[in-house]
Amino acid sequence: KQEVTQIPAALSVPEGENLVLNCSFTDSAIYNLQWFRQDPGKGLTSLLLIQSSQREQTSGRLNASLDKSSGRSTLYIAASQPGDSATYLCAVRDRDDKIIFGKGTRLHILP
Amino acid sequence: ETGVTQSPTHLIKTRGQQVTLRCSSQSGHNTVSWYQQALGQGPQFIFQYYREEENGRGNFPPRFSGLQFPNYSSELNVNALELDDSALYLCASSLDRTKEYFGPGTRLTVT
Repeated sequence: KQEVTQIPAALSVPEGENLVLNCSFTDSAIYNLQWFRQDPGKGLTSLLLIQSSQREQTSGRLNASLDKSSGRSTLYIAASQPGDSATYLCAVRDRDDKIIFGKGTRLHILP
Repeated sequence: ETGVTQSPTHLIKTRGQQVTLRCSSQSGHNTVSWYQQALGQGPQFIFQYYREEENGRGNFPPRFSGLQFPNYSSELNVNALELDDSALYLCASSLDRTKEYFGPGTRLTVT
């Protein structure tokens, strides 16, 4: 059974710092991995999607990497801003087309 | 390009009742997925519809059912509501099961 874990559960950092969020999954037979952002009480916004054949994706200040063999992905945020404060969720699509989410990392950027 | 929309925004139901939630896919998308998100948790995959056929189901009982229409909009039906069904229900659409775009969600409260 595929399980997705995100560490840490919560993180507070001063504005301007670079930071890394971690995601691990137990079954490496995935179709893709996606990182999302969720603001309180809202839906999810897709940030980056990495296909199983890819190693990383970049969008602006965000970079996501995927190491399928070790079951790990990281989301790197450069030069953090208060507007980056949100919950960040990692999700894998497995070969049965089920999408499994982690519980998320609550990020707070201190002005 | 129209984004994913969901209705209603909020809903209050009594235990034992039935509820129907609706989702309109983003223009051009043929895949719809439904998720249940309890407070403080990551979304849990309920099921996915691809070109009007159920294509993948999570660990939810049969009283959770759905439909996808020829225009790719979708409904989630929940029968015999239980208190634990209280959650944010999220719909996401994609093209051929790639990057998922989420709607704002429906907040269901069961009393």
